[in-house]
Amino acid sequence: AQTVTQSQPEMSVQEAETVTLSCTYDTSESDYYLFWYKQPPSRQMILVIRQEAYKQQNATENRFSVNFQKAAKSFSLKISDSQLGDAAMYFCAYNAPSGGSNYKLTFGKGTLLTVNP
Amino acid sequence: DAMVIQNPRYQVTQFGKPVTLSCSQTLNHNVMYWYQQKSSQAPKLLFHYYDKDFNNEADTPDNFQSRRPNTSFCFLDIRSPGLGDAAMYLCATSRQPGQFNNQPQHFGDGTRLSIL
Repeated sequence: AQTVTQSQPEMSVQEAETVTLSCTYDTSESDYYLFWYKQPPSRQMILVIRQEAYKQQNATENRFSVNFQKAAKSFSLKISDSQLGDAAMYFCAYNAPSGGSNYKLTFGKGTLLTVNP
Repeated sequence: DAMVIQNPRYQVTQFGKPVTLSCSQTLNHNVMYWYQQKSSQAPKLLFHYYDKDFNNEADTPDNFQSRRPNTSFCFLDIRSPGLGDAAMYLCATSRQPGQFNNQPQHFGDGTRLSIL
């Protein structure tokens, strides 16, 4: 079974600084997708960034970028120039489109990010 | 704006009293999902609909049922809520994922269910 592990229950960062959130996963699939979702205090889950496993290039979305290490099964999220609005719970998630489970997102337990002014 | 709407935001029910949570979408997505998220835990998929095709996760308790009368609406029914069912319930939608592509899921704000 696929598992997603976020080893940092909580992280904090100073406004305008950079922070990296860690995620590792376990899978026997070769083709899959990885995601970072943000869940602010208002509780709506928002997709931040996603990475296709077959792509070697790391995904980037404005201030958000990932470091995808397929062999190590590691998928960290880097937030540059942190803003107060980045404060939220961040979930790493995994999806494999094959094997009949292509609908299922498997989430890690989340990392609560605090941004200090 | 197109979105996923969950009502109510907060729901209180009594132990053993049936309760229904609702979700609607204006995205015209053919897949709808229900997740359970307990405090400080990851969301856990309960079931999903692909159009009218219902798909239950193997470990979803029988106490949880779902209905999808049309593309726009999906309901979560808890027949006899227990104290352990207190949680945030998240609805999400997506387009049909293909075998070799993924479609991102769009989430509602959630309904926080409390059991007295």
